[in-house]
Amino acid sequence: DGGITQSPKYLFRKEGQNVTLSCEQNLNHDAMYWYRQDPGQGLRLIYYSQIVNDFQKGDIAEGYSVSREKKESFPLTVTSAQKNPTAFYLCASSKPDRVANEQFFGPGTRLTVL
Amino acid sequence: QKEVEQNSGPLSVPEGAIASLNCTYSDRGSQSFFWYRQYSGKSPELIMSIYSNGDKEDGRFTAQLNKASQYVSLLIRDSQPSDSATYLCAPPRGGSYIPTFGRGTSLIVHP
Repeated sequence: DGGITQSPKYLFRKEGQNVTLSCEQNLNHDAMYWYRQDPGQGLRLIYYSQIVNDFQKGDIAEGYSVSREKKESFPLTVTSAQKNPTAFYLCASSKPDRVANEQFFGPGTRLTVL
Repeated sequence: QKEVEQNSGPLSVPEGAIASLNCTYSDRGSQSFFWYRQYSGKSPELIMSIYSNGDKEDGRFTAQLNKASQYVSLLIRDSQPSDSATYLCAPPRGGSYIPTFGRGTSLIVHP
């Protein structure tokens, strides 16, 4: 089955610690995205990548880093510089298409800072 | 003006009724619009996309787009308790194919 997987489902981080969230897709999509969702809020774009070895900052990139070494994988590192990392993190992918850029989401990772 | 505005709700409708969800957006250049459904604690799921003015129907769902008024809506006919979720409107941001998500409207369908 084609889809997007994220791991882990739940993650706990101590103060000053870096953590990496995994995102893998087998949809053969070129574009991948990371969003953050806080309670009662919409999705905010952290980083996106349109092609391997290239990525761009989204609206709230500070304190986060990404890599795109393979088409299938787009891991997100939450660094200690991110002061309020507790949130629901969503990874998505799309073809992309300038008109019909339909995004498909993974199940998400819920990060809690201890 | 916010890029995407939705009434946060909750919108409460009885089972079998029509639920009407509305969204306004600020970017006149937006070409395509998406509606996502998000159950509590889950990730968003694409349910409708619309690219041209007018109505698009898919089963119990109808999306309506009015570019002149910068308004897009989602109608859910014969609402079911399983439709209870948050519905996110997502037009693309200016000059880009990447969507901007509204905060979503919470829908509650009660038996």
